[in-house]
Amino acid sequence: EVQLLESGGGLVQPGGSLRLSCAASGFTFSIYGMSWVRQAPGTGLQWVSAISGGDSTYYADSVKGRFTISRDTSKNTVHLQMNSLRVEDTAVYYCAKIGGGWFVSNWGQGTLVTVSS
Amino acid sequence: EIVMTQSPATLSVSSGERATLSCRASQSVTSNLAWYQQKFGQAPRLLIYGASTGATGVPARFSGSGSGTEFTLTISSLQSEDFAVYYCQQYNNWPFTFGGGTRVEIK
Repeated sequence: EVQLLESGGGLVQPGGSLRLSCAASGFTFSIYGMSWVRQAPGTGLQWVSAISGGDSTYYADSVKGRFTISRDTSKNTVHLQMNSLRVEDTAVYYCAKIGGGWFVSNWGQGTLVTVSS
Repeated sequence: EIVMTQSPATLSVSSGERATLSCRASQSVTSNLAWYQQKFGQAPRLLIYGASTGATGVPARFSGSGSGTEFTLTISSLQSEDFAVYYCQQYNNWPFTFGGGTRVEIK
């Protein structure tokens, strides 16, 4: 069974940093793309960042230059380093396992990031 | 960026009735289209990928159709557990984008 367990969310001031982590199990981690998708309170879904099985990375324009996605295949973990956080980055961040194409086959339970002074 | 537009925003349906949800892309996404269901307070769940292929464990009453720019999710006979928000998502071009969602509520 695929399991994705996020950690690292919390309250941070504008301009601050957070590092989200997602521990994956139940599948061959190294061959699948992984992503972070966020959902601001009461709104829809936004794809934030993605990393392919070959370690190519992708970022939404709104986070480019501020967020960095990475993966540690020895620990089956994907990270999202978030710097220069803004109020508008406040959201639930979901860790996502990619299916055969760039759709999300499995979702984590989400971790809440709140950016506020 | 490809804009995904879902309609209607809210759909009021009685249990046992058929529900038809629409999703339109601002440019062709071929068949690279997925549908998700999200219940309140939960993570989304994959229903359909490749525009028409059901994900593992998804009931047969959910079906998807379309290609190019016009897509449809049909729920043939709504059950109480189907009342939720449904999102479409294109994965033909980065950035991958979601529609704004359709809320299916009890009539």
